[in-house]
Amino acid sequence: NAGVMQNPRHLVRRRGQEARLRCSPMKGHSHVYWYRQLPEEGLKFMVYLQKENIIDESGMPKERFSAEFPKEGPSILRIQQVVRGDSAAYFCASSPQDSGGELFFGEGSRLTVL
Amino acid sequence: GENVEQHPSTLSVQEGDSAVIKCTYSDSASNYFPWYKQELGKGPQLIIDIRSNVGEKKDQRIAVTLNKTAKHFSLHITETQPEDSAVYFCAAKGSSASKIIFGSGTRLSIRP
Repeated sequence: NAGVMQNPRHLVRRRGQEARLRCSPMKGHSHVYWYRQLPEEGLKFMVYLQKENIIDESGMPKERFSAEFPKEGPSILRIQQVVRGDSAAYFCASSPQDSGGELFFGEGSRLTVL
Repeated sequence: GENVEQHPSTLSVQEGDSAVIKCTYSDSASNYFPWYKQELGKGPQLIIDIRSNVGEKKDQRIAVTLNKTAKHFSLHITETQPEDSAVYFCAAKGSSASKIIFGSGTRLSIRP
C-alpha cells in the first residue's frame, strides 16, 4: 500500500513565480488536509478538502493561496506570486471517511523562495 | 477556535530514563487527542492517541493520560532509547471540528 505521495519534494522559486504542490492521498482516502511548517515551528492547519469540495479553509491566507481536490487526480496547493515568507515545508495528510481522526502524512514538499 | 499549547519545547534525557511532554487545550468540546512523532526530513507519524471517554492509554513504552477537567494531556515515554530522539507533537480535535490543531512541538534528545 502506497502512502500519501507528495511532489515535488523540493521546489525552488523566485519571488513572484507560482508554486504548485501536489498530493495523492492513500488509496481509499477521500479526505485531504494541508499543513504548513515553518523552520523549527509546529504544523499550522491550512485547508481541509474532500473530493471536489473545500470543507474548511480557515487557515488559508486570503490572497495568493488556493487549494483543490478534483474528482480525478491529486490535490493541488497553489501559491501565486510567491514571497520569501512562503518558504516552508508543506505537508499533506489524508484520512478515510469517518476515520475518527487519524491523519496519514506525506513526506512534505519543501518550498524555497529566492 | 481550538488552541493547543505544548511544553517543553526541548527536552534532553539520559538513555533509559523517562520523558514527559505536556499539552493543554482550550476547547472543552475536543474529544480526540493524538500524538505524532516527526523524524528529521520526514512527515509526522501517529504514535498513540486517546479519546475523551478514556483517561489513560498505554502501548509498550508509550502512555498518554488525559485530564478533561483541567483540559490537559501528557505523553510519557519510559526506558528511552536513542531512536526516540525526534520532534513530538500533540494535537486536539473537537467533536464538530473538521481540523486537527497541533501544538508547537517538543524536540526530544536522548543522551547515550
